[in-house]
Amino acid sequence: DTGVSQNPRHKITKRGQNVTFRCDPISEHNRLYWYRQTLGQGPEFLTYFQNEAQLEKSRLLSDRFSAERPKGSFSTLEIQRTEQGDSAMYLCASSNTGGTTGGQFFGPGTRLTVL
Amino acid sequence: AQSVTQLGSHVSVSEGALVLLRCNYSSSVPPYLFWYVQYPNQGLQLLLKYTSAATLVKGINGFEAEFKKSETSFHLTKPSAHMSDAAEYFCAVMQGGSEKLVFGKGTKLTVNP
Repeated sequence: DTGVSQNPRHKITKRGQNVTFRCDPISEHNRLYWYRQTLGQGPEFLTYFQNEAQLEKSRLLSDRFSAERPKGSFSTLEIQRTEQGDSAMYLCASSNTGGTTGGQFFGPGTRLTVL
Repeated sequence: AQSVTQLGSHVSVSEGALVLLRCNYSSSVPPYLFWYVQYPNQGLQLLLKYTSAATLVKGINGFEAEFKKSETSFHLTKPSAHMSDAAEYFCAVMQGGSEKLVFGKGTKLTVNP
């Protein structure tokens, strides 16, 4: 069990560029979650997948954000036309029994800085 | 809508002293409750969870929390603080039927020698 992994760990980009982050969940975990954490705040929910189906989306996930989980394994989160307000830590989590019983297991995060 | 309030953004204790981190939730029905710890430059690690079984929940690293419905609280305690407990702690709530965790703003714990 290698835990949830996220790549890259850090990303610096210029405003207006597109960025893509990858999350590899714990093997055999069928649930995958994305959160965003800004300085001094707790993580905020973005979206949730069960297998390849995207079942919940936050209103925080504007039309510039898109997440996918092809084949129900790894997931990608893309931000188009980045803005300085997108600077944050993007966290991925996974679970296998449903978050209410097993809890969600988090990766180390991808820190995005938009210049 | 659910919300979580963590009283005190910073808590400082001496090594060996009691740790008490406060969490109150707002929910119309008893939710599922969690405590996570975040060390610098790391992801969140699950400390413990309440899922409507025993109201006193024991977690890892000697931490425990008690669910008090009448007070809508889920405070985190540890009898004796260690230097290694210095980190940021987050309380989170989840409503049945949703997979979304709603987090508090966190409490940064400092342990003084």
